[in-house]
Amino acid sequence: QQQVKQSPQSLIVQKGGISIINCAYENTAFDYFPWYQQFPGKGPALLIAIRPDVSEKKEGRFTISFNKSAKQFSLHIMDSQPGDSATYFCAASTDNFNKFYFGSGTKLNVKP
Amino acid sequence: DVKVTQSSRYLVKRTGEKVFLECVQDMDHENMFWYRQDPGLGLRLIYFSYDVKMKEKGDIPEGYSVSREKKERFSLILESASTNQTSMYLCASSSPALAGHYEQYFGPGTRLTVT
Repeated sequence: QQQVKQSPQSLIVQKGGISIINCAYENTAFDYFPWYQQFPGKGPALLIAIRPDVSEKKEGRFTISFNKSAKQFSLHIMDSQPGDSATYFCAASTDNFNKFYFGSGTKLNVKP
Repeated sequence: DVKVTQSSRYLVKRTGEKVFLECVQDMDHENMFWYRQDPGLGLRLIYFSYDVKMKEKGDIPEGYSVSREKKERFSLILESASTNQTSMYLCASSSPALAGHYEQYFGPGTRLTVT
């Protein structure tokens, strides 16, 4: 049983469009929510992360929106580019040895 | 520049063989993790270690064991490989000593095929 549920499984977006990936969780003890980006043949790498004391965090074209009451968070990629084509994983963690619970992943394809 | 290296990018083994996957990190991190990645299932934690010789089961430890004799090295062992262990295996490390810094750094992965 996955502790973090991620959707959609795959996403196709035109260049310049907005990509939105959603995640939901149940465990209210989670206090750190990172997003990882993985290119083919590479390991995942941290993209952006948020703590539940803020509702939004923005870094360049990437924004996390966090809804604590709904236990949901999402990644928005503005002005999506073909170079953003990758698999994205959301995750959640408690302060317990940095153990992460990952979502099932979203394969994003940005068409030129 | 932080680095996590894995001993092999691709590995093909036969059913019943004992398989060793090695991971080395050069960041002096306390925590190390082994995940397997399967399509539609994301990353699932097999084992993790928070100190030398210490280990904890993750969510799917069955059929696997681990060894951490030195801080920088964490090995995943498949005692008797089976075809359902065909997967991508990812190693990661992190350091709780950096206050508020939870980032896990991943290696490039080992794609294991068991025939």
